[in-house]
Amino acid sequence: DTAVSQTPKYLVTQMGNDKSIKCEQNLGHDTMYWYKQDSKKFLKIMFSYNNKELIINETVPNRFSPKSPDKAHLNLHINSLELGDSAVYFCASTRGGETQYFGPGTRLLVL
Amino acid sequence: EDQVTQSPEALRLQEGESSSLNCSYTVSGLRGLFWYRQDPGKGPEFLFTLYSAGEEKEKERLKATLTKKESFLHITAPKPEDSATYLCAAETTDSWGKLQFGAGTQVVVTP
Repeated sequence: DTAVSQTPKYLVTQMGNDKSIKCEQNLGHDTMYWYKQDSKKFLKIMFSYNNKELIINETVPNRFSPKSPDKAHLNLHINSLELGDSAVYFCASTRGGETQYFGPGTRLLVL
Repeated sequence: EDQVTQSPEALRLQEGESSSLNCSYTVSGLRGLFWYRQDPGKGPEFLFTLYSAGEEKEKERLKATLTKKESFLHITAPKPEDSATYLCAAETTDSWGKLQFGAGTQVVVTP
């Protein structure tokens, strides 16, 4: 009965590859987010979707493309992975712009 | 430019030794100040939201307060299980849903 879940938990890949991370929430929330946490543990917002519509799009390389097939899912596709993309990626969700609840994170390591 | 700064970066406490963490914010129009707890390898776990100066919220050994320029998280008589990184985040009235996080305070409580 996990509230916000992410797959995979760990992702190790080579530079130049394309990979996707999936997020699902069963809280009935209408807004979902992607955050990146770098090696210094600094959490920074990347994207937000409300009812499948992109509402926050921070300064992120266009190699990163979010996709929301429905209100309960938000995926993150990354093209041409670079070393600097290594980080922990967190999904979060909220209803009505209130408290954001975070998933367990996906640890991405690009070699 | 909006900024959220947490201090100290790290705090080592003896069990039972009360202390406070600071989160100072320089944002244009605060809508809410959020506190999260993050354990190693996990996603941030919501603790409190504060909306107006003078507001206080408590949960077990934790108490959060808010002034017009900063928020404090007081830990009273901490136990080893309170060891974690504590994150604060500010949300502004013109960037609803966009949490701006501080770098966190890593707290270690020793028996």
